[in-house]
Amino acid sequence: ILNVEQSPQSLHVQEGDSTNFTCSFPSSNFYALHWYRWETAKSPEALFVMTLNGDEKKKGRISATLNTKEGYSYLYIKGSQPEDSATYLCAFMNSGGSNYKLTFGKGTLLTVNP
Amino acid sequence: ETGVTQTPRHLVMGMTNKKSLKCEQHLGHNAMYWYKQSAKKPLELMFVYNFKEQTENNSVPSRFSPECPNSSHLFLHLHTLQPEDSALYLCASSQLTTYEQYFGPGTRLTVT
Repeated sequence: ILNVEQSPQSLHVQEGDSTNFTCSFPSSNFYALHWYRWETAKSPEALFVMTLNGDEKKKGRISATLNTKEGYSYLYIKGSQPEDSATYLCAFMNSGGSNYKLTFGKGTLLTVNP
Repeated sequence: ETGVTQTPRHLVMGMTNKKSLKCEQHLGHNAMYWYKQSAKKPLELMFVYNFKEQTENNSVPSRFSPECPNSSHLFLHLHTLQPEDSALYLCASSQLTTYEQYFGPGTRLTVT
């Protein structure tokens, strides 16, 4: 059983604060690490797919880093806005065989107060 | 909109009922997935179809029966469910199984 852990479970910040959260995953048989953003009553939306150790990706105020050797990824949000309030999910894709599938963490629930 | 639609959005069924969940993707993707999310648990993969062939059954009970008649449509047939099957069922698709996945809004299922 693959273990994908996200911390913290939930986070409250004020508008304008910068914040970050962590995803840890197995360091063996790594293929890719996905980040998704899930707003209440909407569909999860892909943010990043990261494949290389040392990868850094950015989309607007959101960025992510990847360390496959030690098995963690950080997601950063700069200058949080109320519309950033959502659950942020990471998912680990392992290599091994021909079937590639995602194992999700429980997510970090971010609430940004105006 | 993600290009993946699911119907119905909400479903209440008794334990002896038979119902089906439908998923349709308008993205030209080749892989489709069913996931389950129960309260306080992570998204859990149930089934994967790749080019209409089932490539993954994640030890799902036989009371859940998937069907993929073509690469745009995916069904989940439900029969004799248990109350513990109440959950949010999400469909997703991707161009290939290694690519990012596009999710539908989910069907909230309640089994009474």
